[in-house]
Amino acid sequence: AQRVTQPEKLLSVFKGAPVELKCNYSYSGSPELFWYVQYSRQRLQLLLRHISRESIKGFTADLNKGETSFHLKKPFAQEEDSAMYYCALGGPNTGNQFYFGTGTSLTVIP
Amino acid sequence: EPEVTQTPSHQVTQMGQEVILRCVPISNHLYFYWYRQILGQKVEFLVSFYNNEISEKSEIFDDQFSVERPDGSNFTLKIRSTKLEDSAMYFCASSQTNTGELFFGEGSRLTVL
Repeated sequence: AQRVTQPEKLLSVFKGAPVELKCNYSYSGSPELFWYVQYSRQRLQLLLRHISRESIKGFTADLNKGETSFHLKKPFAQEEDSAMYYCALGGPNTGNQFYFGTGTSLTVIP
Repeated sequence: EPEVTQTPSHQVTQMGQEVILRCVPISNHLYFYWYRQILGQKVEFLVSFYNNEISEKSEIFDDQFSVERPDGSNFTLKIRSTKLEDSAMYFCASSQTNTGELFFGEGSRLTVL
């Protein structure tokens, strides 16, 4: 079964501190993994996807197939990073749907 | 930049009433989705739609739910007889491919009294 786990519901860090939002997945096949972000009163929007290997707003995420993880990292958190972050799984074996984790609410303390 | 739009932004209805939530996906997208998010819970898949038919649906999407694309632009979600537990934020999304980026609307908040 396809599943995405985000173990932390809430995460608080101080401005300038490193942040890591954890995501683990289970999937039989080649997964496609995404991080979506939802800022206060805004729509869900794509932050980054593993196949593009980009850094967006200072965030990076590396797919670790051995650990089945796709953790989101940023070396220096900013106040504007406070938001809800969702890890999502897609891919050829997911049918025509994406599976979302339960989300992690990140608060960056000034 | 093109966006997915949803109406209404908020609807309050009595239990047992029918509700239609409307979505206008991005025009060149081929795959359409409805997700919902009960307050405090995760985003849950309801249904996906491609080539004018349902391609996948979850256990949540029972006989009370239906989707259609009546005119080639709108994509609607109908709940035939609402229940209290249908209260949630309903998100429409569209994508160009079935494994590509999902573009979400801002959501329609449904409150069933």
